[in-house]
Amino acid sequence: DIQMTQSPSSLSASVGDRVTITCRASQSLKNYLNWYQHKPGQAPKVLIYGASSLQSGVPPRFSGSGSGSDFTLTISGLQPEDFATYYCQQSYSPPFTFGPGTKVDVK
Amino acid sequence: QVQLQQWGGGLLKPSETLSLTCGLYGGSFSNFYWSWIRQSPGNGLEWIGEIDYSGTTNYNPSLKSRVSISIDTSKNHFSLKVMSVNAEDTALYYCARGGTTMSPAGRFDPWGQGTPVTVSS
Repeated sequence: DIQMTQSPSSLSASVGDRVTITCRASQSLKNYLNWYQHKPGQAPKVLIYGASSLQSGVPPRFSGSGSGSDFTLTISGLQPEDFATYYCQQSYSPPFTFGPGTKVDVK
Repeated sequence: QVQLQQWGGGLLKPSETLSLTCGLYGGSFSNFYWSWIRQSPGNGLEWIGEIDYSGTTNYNPSLKSRVSISIDTSKNHFSLKVMSVNAEDTALYYCARGGTTMSPAGRFDPWGQGTPVTVSS
C-alpha cells in the first residue's frame, strides 16, 4: 500500500492568513493526488484533484502544487468557513489511501 | 446534479453482518467506479472498495476477506456488506463516486451523507 503522511497534524491560524499543508507519499504518484476538506457532520468535499486542478465551485484561494511524492495545499487568505480538517488522498493505485489529516483551527 | 443517499447501519453486535446501501439520484452508474469509504477514530479515512456498473469490484486487501460490494442498476443503488464485524469496524461509513472506468485514478465526488455504525456487545 502507498503510505501518505501530512504535516503539520494541526495548525492554528487567523482569518486572512496564508496556510500551507504538506503531503508526502511513500512512492511517486505522478500527479494522482487529491485534497479534501472535511467539516464535522458533513461529508468530505474535494478541493483539488490531479495535484493542482481546482474542483468546480471551489474558491480560487485554494491551490495545489507538486508532483511525484511531495505535494502542497495552499489557502491564500483564510476565511472563517475554511476552519476544518484537510486530507490528501492518492488515486495512483488501489488501495486508495488518505493522509492522516491536518486540522486547521482558530488562533 | 448527482446525489448519493445512504441507509442502513446502526448498532451491531460482534460477529454480525453490516449492511449499507447507497442510492444514486440524478445520474447514471455508467462509466464510473462507486466506492465505500469509512472513517474511524483509530484509522482515519480508509477506502474499503469499489464497484463499476458491470459489477467489477476492487477491494482493500485489509478487508477483502470480509467485504462484499454489489450493484443493482435497475434499482439505482449499490451496497456494502461487512461480515463478522468487531469493534474495529465501528466507524462513519460513506459511499462516493470515484474515477471513470477509462481513467480510474479519479477523485471521490460526490459523497453520501455518511452513516454511523457501532459494533458493541
